Amino acid sequence: IAGITQAPTSQILAAGRRMTLRCTQDMRHNAMYWYRQDLGLGLRLIHYSNTAGTTGKGEVPDGYSVSRANTDDFPLTLASAVPSQTSVYFCASSAGPQTGELFFGEGSRLTVL
Amino acid sequence: AQSVSQHNHHVILSEAASLELGCNYSYGGTVNLFWYVQYPGQHLQLLLKYFSGDPLVKGIKGFEAEFIKSKFSFNLRKPSVQWSDTAEYFCAVNGYSSASKIIFGSGTRLSIRP
Repeated sequence: IAGITQAPTSQILAAGRRMTLRCTQDMRHNAMYWYRQDLGLGLRLIHYSNTAGTTGKGEVPDGYSVSRANTDDFPLTLASAVPSQTSVYFCASSAGPQTGELFFGEGSRLTVL
Repeated sequence: AQSVSQHNHHVILSEAASLELGCNYSYGGTVNLFWYVQYPGQHLQLLLKYFSGDPLVKGIKGFEAEFIKSKFSFNLRKPSVQWSDTAEYFCAVNGYSSASKIIFGSGTRLSIRP
């Protein structure tokens, strides 16, 4: 079982470009999340989805959008990347918000120049 | 809004020393509390969690945490650390009324001297 698969693992991007980080899970989890990890700031929630067809804003949603067309996929899009979006992005899933345990992907390291 | 504070940014210990990492949260209602660990080069994994019941919870690898509601705290402890405990530790919380938002603290980097 692969769990959570993120792509790409690493990307260098010019400012102003559009970028989509992909996330796929094979655990049939209802809830999915996107976090960014920055030194000294820990993980900050960008967007989440409780179930297919619904999404919600986290702590730092500006500049990012998500969609949840089906249970397995939860892509994160940067419409026009800026240098402050340089970070490591983690996708995670859980069976449901009340179960608590998040399963994380390996992360996508994004550098915006 | 819920928030989590981890006041120790970097802790350095010798092997066999005892460990306590602080975690305080801010939320007006019932919460679920978690500790996650990130070993070097790896993704985060769950160490332990508290939902209800006994406020002293035990996790993997000899770790435990105590929920003290009056202090809004959920400190992580281990009686005797090993070099392999070198990692970054994150406290997290989600409140029942905003259960989808699992919020993390800024993390504590633990370095163990062999």
